Amino acid sequence: SAVISQKPSRDICQRGTSLTIQCQVDSQVTMMFWYRQQPGQSLTLIATANQGSEATYESGFVIDKFPISRPNLTFSTLTVSNMSPEDSSIYLCSVEGGSPTEQYFGPGTRLTVT
Amino acid sequence: AQKITQTQPGMFVQEKEAVTLDCTYDTSDPSYGLFWYKQPSSGEMIFLIYQGSYDQQNATEGRYSLNFQKARKSANLVISASQLGDSAMYFCAMREYDNNNDMRFGAGTRLTVKP
Repeated sequence: SAVISQKPSRDICQRGTSLTIQCQVDSQVTMMFWYRQQPGQSLTLIATANQGSEATYESGFVIDKFPISRPNLTFSTLTVSNMSPEDSSIYLCSVEGGSPTEQYFGPGTRLTVT
Repeated sequence: AQKITQTQPGMFVQEKEAVTLDCTYDTSDPSYGLFWYKQPSSGEMIFLIYQGSYDQQNATEGRYSLNFQKARKSANLVISASQLGDSAMYFCAMREYDNNNDMRFGAGTRLTVKP
């Protein structure tokens, strides 16, 4: 299995500011995913980030709001830009393990926007 | 359209009893995988069990088993001998390997184990 860490684990931010979330994996992985979990809701895929290519965003998510970097096979960042209270959520990084039958999640970043 | 359906927002089970959490899915992709995750109040997503669309036998992992009925497109999670620590949210998810290859989640079921 892959061990995934995320920084920060939680943050409280003011509206209009931006926050960059880091995701670090202990092994090289091709496929990385970013999810959002709004309070009391399920997980929604924001984008898929494969190394060496532009991130692919899901409907309802745009690069200007959620820019993603994937500089190498063990690291990715997600930025939440120009935040509003509606962005208050848990943001989770996820990776495919050694095969498509394995997918693991980081501990999440709890974001509160005031 | 919702591809993963979990119809039970909440379930209760007595400690040491078995419980079944329902999950149905919709796909035209012949190659797909079904996953169950547990999310305790701490928020982490814990992988429980996996079933591939071509797997002939139902998956089992310790106290967890998956009742896979392909024709009915259902993949119910069975937890045997429930423990107080099983109280959590449970999510069913699917990856369609020939279509985007990303994972989609159901709405989840909150399981409460009673002592």
